[in-house]
This record gives sequence, structure tokens and C-alpha cells, in this order.
Amino acid sequence: ILNVEQSPQSLHVQEGDSTNFTCSFPSSNFYALHWYRWETAKSPEALFVMTLNGDEKKKGRISATLNTKEGYSYLYIKGSQPEDSATYLCASTDNYGQNFVFGPGTRLSVLP
Amino acid sequence: DAGITQSPRHKVTETGTPVTLRCHQTENHRYMYWYRQDPGHGLRLIHYSYGVKDTDKGEVSDGYSVSRSKTEDFLLTLESATSSQTSVYFCAISDDLGDEQYFGPGTRLTVT
Repeated sequence: ILNVEQSPQSLHVQEGDSTNFTCSFPSSNFYALHWYRWETAKSPEALFVMTLNGDEKKKGRISATLNTKEGYSYLYIKGSQPEDSATYLCASTDNYGQNFVFGPGTRLSVLP
Repeated sequence: DAGITQSPRHKVTETGTPVTLRCHQTENHRYMYWYRQDPGHGLRLIHYSYGVKDTDKGEVSDGYSVSRSKTEDFLLTLESATSSQTSVYFCAISDDLGDEQYFGPGTRLTVT
């Protein structure tokens, strides 16, 4: 079973601040890294799926990078807004998609 | 939103009784997944399916069985529910292994 870790566990920022958090995963037999956004009382929604070392993806104010050699991914939020408040989950797969394991998440609160 | 429904949405049952949760999709996706969500553990994969009658175990499969007799339906069965199976259960689908997953609304199960 993969060990996927995320840090920090929670984060409080002011509206307008930029922030980032980390996902670390085993680099051996890596296949794909997913980021999901999970608002309270809703279901997780996919943000990014990345597979290649050095991948960078962007969706509006949110972007992510991937380093498969050292086993980490960063998620960045530029100019945080209260509606960005959510738990951000990463998940890693190995062996061509098997062993899909989520990290525990980073809970972001953006204060107006 | 991807067409995924779960039924029931809430259930309270007694220890030792059988329980079946249903996941239904209208997207014709090949892969379907069952997760449980517990505080401190995030999302953990129970079982997944890669086609009709094709299933495999996930991280926390003990005490659970699944069946997929049609592309659109994936059933999760607790043969004899225990209090440790009190949780929120999420179904998810994806077009291919490693692709982003689309989640259903969740089922809250309480075993008393």
C-alpha cells in the first residue's frame, strides 16, 4: 500500500494571500498524481491529473507542479478567495493505475 | 456533473445485519470504485471494478464484497455489518485507470 502524505494538515490565510501545500508520494513505480478539491457537504472534484516529471498544470488561480523523481507535488493558489476554502486531496497511483491511495488532505480556510 | 447516484443516501442498521449500497452511473465509464471516508483517514479504497464481473480489492476490503452485473451498477455489500463500518461511503467512476475520478454524493451508514 502506498504512503501518501500531505502538509500542512490545515491552513488559515487571509483573502488575497497566495498559498501552497505539498503532497509527497513514493517515487518508485509512479504512474499518476491526482489533485481533488473537496468542499464541506459536497463530493470531491478533480482539479488535475499529472503523469510526467516536470508537469505543470493550471486552472484559473490554481496551479500544480510534479516531481516524480523525488516524489512530491505542489498545489498553489494565487490570491486566495473565501470560496477556495475546502480540503485539497492528492492521490497517487502506481503500477499503471493500481493501488490508488489518497493522502489525508490539507484543509484550507480563507478568511475574508 | 457526471451522472452518478448512490442509494440509499442515509441508512441506520443494527450490528449483524446485511447491508447493500448501490452506485449507479449513466456515463458508461469502465471503472467504478467504492471508498469509505473516516476522520483522520481521508478516503480509503474498498474495492474497484474494471468491467462487468471484473473486480479487485482495495486497501480496506475486509468485511466487504462487491458485484457488478451491469456496466452502470456497482453494489457494495456488508454481509454482517459491524460498528467499525459506520462511515460515509463514496462511489466514483473513471473512464480509464489513472484518469480523473468523478464522485457520487455519498451514503452515510450508521451501524448501531
